[in-house]
Amino acid sequence: DIQMTQSPSSLSASVGDRVTITCRASQSISSYLNWYQQKPGKAPKLLIYAASSLQSGVPSRFSGSGSGTDFTLTISSLQPEDFATYYCQQSYSTRAYTFGQGTKLEIK
Amino acid sequence: EVQLVESGGGLVQPGGSLRLSCAASGFTVSSNYMSWVRQAPGKGLEWVSVIYSGGSTYYADSVKGRFTISRDNSKNTLYLQMNSLRAEDTAVYYCARDYQGDGDDAFDIWGQGTMVTVSS
Repeated sequence: DIQMTQSPSSLSASVGDRVTITCRASQSISSYLNWYQQKPGKAPKLLIYAASSLQSGVPSRFSGSGSGTDFTLTISSLQPEDFATYYCQQSYSTRAYTFGQGTKLEIK
Repeated sequence: EVQLVESGGGLVQPGGSLRLSCAASGFTVSSNYMSWVRQAPGKGLEWVSVIYSGGSTYYADSVKGRFTISRDNSKNTLYLQMNSLRAEDTAVYYCARDYQGDGDDAFDIWGQGTMVTVSS
């Protein structure tokens, strides 16, 4: 199976900060990389699909980039509602999807 | 409104069985790939199983041979039959629509989740 590794595992930041989370795949996955946001007690929410496409309704401060094995999620200016856990997920192998371990974004 | 609503979770003893349901509205289950994803308490997301629109099914190694994904087209509902349950299957189980676009594939619609607890 394709392994997905996120860094950092946790991150403290302030409102207004620019934040970047990285995700690395154990093999090339082209652009089959998605990002999700999850708040406590809630289902995950799709933010970015195909590495860099913004899901409808998601604020433009979220952006994604990368291809092959290395990907990033950037939040340009953190808002209070952005404090959550973020997961990357590969959809290259549709018979065995895998998620990263998650990055918990906390208020500094 | 496009939504997914899971049901069927609960407390079950090790070795027992449980069937989860996921009722869809606003779209057709059989025309989409549909997946189950779980999350153990305090842990990350783990993909469990997928059923393709054509009917092919695939499973994570951790549940292969014990879980079965299926759908009822007349009820527009997805199911997960879970047998030989273990303590490590304790988790919130989510169903999700696995949207297949042109060069993309992502879980764009999620249910609210249903809790499964395996304990004696």
